[in-house]
Amino acid sequence: GQQLNQSPQSMFIQEGEDVSMNCTSSSIFNTWLWYKQEPGEGPVLLIALYKAGELTSNGRLTAQFGITRKDSFLNISASIPSDVGIYFCAGHVIQGAQKLVFGQGTRLTINP
Amino acid sequence: GAGVSQSPSNKVTEKGKDVELRCDPISGHTALYWYRQSLGQGLEFLIYFQGNSAPDKSGLPSDRFSAERTGGSVSTLTIQRTQQEDSAVYLCASSKDAYNEQFFGPGTRLTVL
Repeated sequence: GQQLNQSPQSMFIQEGEDVSMNCTSSSIFNTWLWYKQEPGEGPVLLIALYKAGELTSNGRLTAQFGITRKDSFLNISASIPSDVGIYFCAGHVIQGAQKLVFGQGTRLTINP
Repeated sequence: GAGVSQSPSNKVTEKGKDVELRCDPISGHTALYWYRQSLGQGLEFLIYFQGNSAPDKSGLPSDRFSAERTGGSVSTLTIQRTQQEDSAVYLCASSKDAYNEQFFGPGTRLTVL
């Protein structure tokens, strides 16, 4: 089945640093989504991307939908303690069901 | 308004027992999804309901897993004869329709001893 390869698996950074994570796939995706999950909660949508090449920002977060439709990245600038959590990429495959395919997650830890 | 709710929040059961997990979607959302999240992993699709259409069951891992959605609202995921490998967090999501953002519930943590 379709798989998303997300990296890095974990990041340990200092408060104020910028963060970058990415996802790649061997399949073409119709949409790319980035979620954040905190302990004991379900994932919450951060950014949604619908067109190849699209670059979208949401506050300190920026994400891009790769031109090949097979990759996406998420950047977080000037990290703060509340950015701690697990970040997941997800997407809808072309001609697939409406189910989401998820990456394995990037666990972000911030040292104050 | 209220988000997606799930119950119970935690369930511990013995191997071989049946369990039922409940999901209350956001009112008015026609699409409902079940996902499974194993420890340290991403979410794995299980089943999808859209309105009155036949559900997409393509993600169910075995015939021990089944789900119903009654009256287009509440959904129940049933796991029969539970096995230790069924231990995971089971997440439910709903969306206005199949093409809109999915909102997730907090999940049910299932532990099979």
